Order: sequence, then C-alpha cells, then structure tokens
Amino acid sequence: DTAVSQTPKYLVTQMGNDKSIKCEQNLGHDTMYWYKQDSKKFLKIMFSYNNKELIINETVPNRFSPKSPDKAHLNLHINSLELGDSAVYFCATSRAGGPSSYEQYFGPGTRLTVT
Amino acid sequence: DAKTTQPPSMDCAEGRAANLPCNHSTISGNEYVYWYRQIHSQGPQYIIHGLKNNETNEMASLIITEDRKSSTLILPHATLRDTAVYYCIVRPIQGAQKLVFGQGTRLTINP
Repeated sequence: DTAVSQTPKYLVTQMGNDKSIKCEQNLGHDTMYWYKQDSKKFLKIMFSYNNKELIINETVPNRFSPKSPDKAHLNLHINSLELGDSAVYFCATSRAGGPSSYEQYFGPGTRLTVT
Repeated sequence: DAKTTQPPSMDCAEGRAANLPCNHSTISGNEYVYWYRQIHSQGPQYIIHGLKNNETNEMASLIITEDRKSSTLILPHATLRDTAVYYCIVRPIQGAQKLVFGQGTRLTINP
C-alpha cells in the first residue's frame, strides 16, 4: 500500500493548457504539501494545507491553485501552462505541529513537461 | 533560518561507513537538524533528526557536536542503494513547517 501517491507520474502538455495533478495519502496525516523541483534540481515548497486549510503559500503565480477536498487529498491545478512550469512536482505529508511536522513523507513525483 | 554548508560530493566504498558532514554554525537553540536523502528519480526520504543529543535509527546515526555548530550523518555499512543526494536541513520548532532544501551532498557508493 503506497503511503503517498501521485497521478499522473508523467504529464506532457502544450503551453496554454490547464492541467491537474492529484495527490492522495493513507497515513492519516493532517498536513500536506506541494514542492517543485526544477531542472537544476532545486527543491522548493509551494503550498501546504493543514486539515484542508491553506497555511503556506510561497510566491507562486496565481495560475497555480491547490485544492484539498478532504484530509487525504491535495490536488494541484495549473492554468495557462508555461514553459517554465516544466519541473517535477512532489506531494508530501506530515503530522501537524512540532518537530514531527518536518518528518515529511514524499510521493514519487509528477514530471510535468510543457512544450 | 540557519544556513547549512555541505560538501557537494563524496565517495565511499561499499560496506564502509559513510560520514556526511554538515556545518550549521548559525543554528539557534530552538532549531533541529534534519537529514533527508533523494535517490535518483524518487521523492526525498526522511532519514533522521536531532536537537542536541546523538540519535540512531535503523537507517543512520546522527552525531551533533556539543556546540551544535555541526553534525555528521553516519551510514554504518553503505550499500550501492545508498547512492543519493543527502540534505542537511535546519528548522525551528515553531513556525511554518516547510522544508528548505539546499544543494546537498551527492554521495556515490562504489563497489
């Protein structure tokens, strides 16, 4: 049973399209995150949700909108895709609060390629 | 946020102990040291964390100096599957629970 799963694993699309990436966790964690890893391998936080409430929103374009329908899911919707959005996107989860919140469990990643 | 410094790359022979250093000389009293690794094409994996005492789990040991300005992650018997980029991350107990990744150390285990 995969703890943190993401779909799709690969996503190739054209500029201007709208796409979604889904994340599901079965760990019962309260907090979920989205990270982006660019072509230079820098890994950076984008968003985090705690109990379906947005708590971290880094400087991310408005074209990116996370949605958390329930505690086990955090989806990432991207409008009007641009070439610079090409990256690997990782979902992660953790318990809420204290040192345990930094023990984060990552999904396998979704490699997004915008052409 | 405390800054961390790690060597960009290291090599280790299979079966030997891999010792990965991290300098965090500006760490403050309420900041923990976390270690993650990222194996090629996979998501980052949590390894271990500590505040001031040495810690050990099934994956690794973490040695933190008495002044807390540096730490060493020890993989006691490295295998080829331990080849990965290892990240040392310092985070405060309170505050936004985001991980801030640096460039890490690319550890290569050689047969």
